[in-house]
Amino acid sequence: DADVTQTPRNRITKTGKRIMLECSQTKGHDRMYWYRQDPGLGLQLIYYSFDVKDINKGEISDGYSVSRQAQAKFSLSLESAIPNQTALYFCATSDLDNEQFFGPGTRLTVL
Amino acid sequence: GEDVEQSLFLSVREGDSSVINCTYTDSSSTYLYWYKQEPGAGLQLLTYIFSNMDMKQDQRLTVLLNKKDKHLSLRIADTQTGDSAIYFCAETTISGNTPLVFGKGTRLSVIA
Repeated sequence: DADVTQTPRNRITKTGKRIMLECSQTKGHDRMYWYRQDPGLGLQLIYYSFDVKDINKGEISDGYSVSRQAQAKFSLSLESAIPNQTALYFCATSDLDNEQFFGPGTRLTVL
Repeated sequence: GEDVEQSLFLSVREGDSSVINCTYTDSSSTYLYWYKQEPGAGLQLLTYIFSNMDMKQDQRLTVLLNKKDKHLSLRIADTQTGDSAIYFCAETTISGNTPLVFGKGTRLSVIA
């Protein structure tokens, strides 16, 4: 079984809809991250959490929110999706050494 | 803030060596990583180097670090078509209190 799982793997939605992307990990790591990937822009950090009670904004947090429900779960929400949020979204985890382990990604399309 | 720069594209012939370069700005960088992203997949750690090292070799992979110039390179010997992917450089500091800073990735295309 994969150490970091993301659901759904693909999602098509309409402008204005609320969307939640979920991430679960079995690595026992305290640190979790959400990134989006756009062609030619690399990875952009949306939010990160260093433990269950810790939430931090990344470089592109506007239009997104997160919830750290447990050590193993970190979800990303788009309150009102817009087309320029169409992207590939990755969840990652790490221990204190910051070596990150990535999930397989969620491809989100906003029409 | 910290920045990590990479060229976006590299094309090589099968069997040749590939060299992917990366520069970073944070002089307190302690750990430097290379990640590989194959099509349709997440990133996977390829190798890493500590800042007190100049070189690290792992089978076909050689990482060179020039700390004075803040320059990191990844050399892939005998490049194969299966090496076609996007390669990301990333750095972090010894405190570990901030997330990794990633470059934008270098897309390596291997021509048969």
